Amino acid sequence: ETGVTQTPRHLVMGMTNKKSLKCEQHLGHNAMYWYKQSAKKPLELMFVYSLEERVENNSVPSRFSPECPNSSHLFLHLHTLQPEDSALYLCASSQEISNIRTGAGELFFGEGSRLTVL
Amino acid sequence: GENVEQHPSTLSVQEGDSAVIKCTYSDSASNYFPWYKQELGKRPQLIIDIRSNVGEKKDQRIAVTLNKTAKHFSLHITETQPEDSAVYFCAASRGKLIFGQGTELSVKP
Repeated sequence: ETGVTQTPRHLVMGMTNKKSLKCEQHLGHNAMYWYKQSAKKPLELMFVYSLEERVENNSVPSRFSPECPNSSHLFLHLHTLQPEDSALYLCASSQEISNIRTGAGELFFGEGSRLTVL
Repeated sequence: GENVEQHPSTLSVQEGDSAVIKCTYSDSASNYFPWYKQELGKRPQLIIDIRSNVGEKKDQRIAVTLNKTAKHFSLHITETQPEDSAVYFCAASRGKLIFGQGTELSVKP
């Protein structure tokens, strides 16, 4: 398997459930990201990890809890979600984390996990 | 912070015609401008990017132009083909990537 893989591809959950999304990258990258993609809206950055350390939390509600046990794996733990959280959740990786000096580099995305909250 | 506006939100062209998608950004310090293509049900993929020290970049049928003074950049697709049908996202960055809202391009055979 190469690239960025996400599981599950589809998830339906009730508001009281606890579930997790998983992302794995096989590219040897040092930075990993979670994005939320809702219809007709820009891709929203949720979390950024660099070498397993969280470097950005973009004002995301605490019902979303990320975990990065190593530089190849990223999880998004979901708890007590709301129907408006239904969206496509995309994981991405990049060689290095972007910074003001170097600018951003190419993001490699997974195919996403389509989440429906009932 | 950075804000990126993308227009149009939908674009329909006949096969063989050209398509142009435009984006404006607010942060004059942004120095990297990529374009991603997302086919239906697929992942977004980088198709072309440009850095602020360059005004134009071409790759076969696609090109990107950057006007730093006006803070806008555009994607140009020539000789469009049905497989160009997808959602295209622009982004601007001086560190963190900020995406536009996306343009759904439909190329009719």
